[in-house]
Amino acid sequence: ETGVTQTPRHLVMGMTNKKSLKCEQHLGHNAMYWYKQSAKKPLELMFVYNFKEQTENNSVPSRFSPECPNSSHLFLHLHTLQPEDSALYLCASSPGTSNQPQHFGDGTRLSIL
Amino acid sequence: AQSVTQPDIHITVSEGASLELRCNYSYGATPYLFWYVQSPGQGLQLLLKYFSGDTLVQGIKGFEAEFKRSQSSFNLRKPSVHWSDAAEYFCAVGPQGFQKLVFGTGTRLLVSP
Repeated sequence: ETGVTQTPRHLVMGMTNKKSLKCEQHLGHNAMYWYKQSAKKPLELMFVYNFKEQTENNSVPSRFSPECPNSSHLFLHLHTLQPEDSALYLCASSPGTSNQPQHFGDGTRLSIL
Repeated sequence: AQSVTQPDIHITVSEGASLELRCNYSYGATPYLFWYVQSPGQGLQLLLKYFSGDTLVQGIKGFEAEFKRSQSSFNLRKPSVHWSDAAEYFCAVGPQGFQKLVFGTGTRLLVSP
C-alpha cells in the first residue's frame, strides 16, 4: 500500500526534544487520521481531520500537537514526550464523504529515551 | 460503549489447514465491521468489510467472514492457510461514515510448516 506515506519510519528522541511526524496521502482523500499502536493494546484513535478541520480529539495530551495544512498532508508535532509515548504511530486517510474504509500508512516507530 | 473482543492472542495453524479467527463486538446500532491485516513493519491493510446485505462477505487473499447478528460475531475464515498469511489480524467496528473505528487487540497468526 503506497497511497499513504509516513516519514520517518523510525525515530528515537529524548524527553526534552521536539520532533515532527509527517504523513502524506496520494489518494485524493479528504479525511486524515492519527492512531497510536502500543503493544497488547487496541489501536487508539488520536485525531481526525476532515477537509483540514479537526473533527476529533480523543483526549490526547497537549504534548501531541497535530497540524493539517491541506487535505494531503498531516503532521504530528511532538514535545516533551514521556516514555509511555513510545509506540507505533499510524496515519490513515479516507474519502471522508462516503462510507469508504480507511487506508493506512506503514507507521513511524517512536522510541522515547 | 462499543467494543471489540478478539479472544485469541495467538493462533498457530499448519500450512494448508483451515483458519478461523474470532471477533465479537458490542455496538448499539447497526454495525459496520472490518478485518484488517498487519504484516511486520507495515501498516494495516483492509481484508474485507461488512456493511449490510449478504452476511457472508468475501475479501482479498482468499479470506471470508460471516456476520452473525444473534451472536454479535464477525469471524474471519480461510480454507487453506499459506505461510505468507502469518501476520496480525485486527477486527474493527464503526458507525456509518467509518471515521471512529474501534479496534480489537488483534490475533497473531503463526503458520507452521
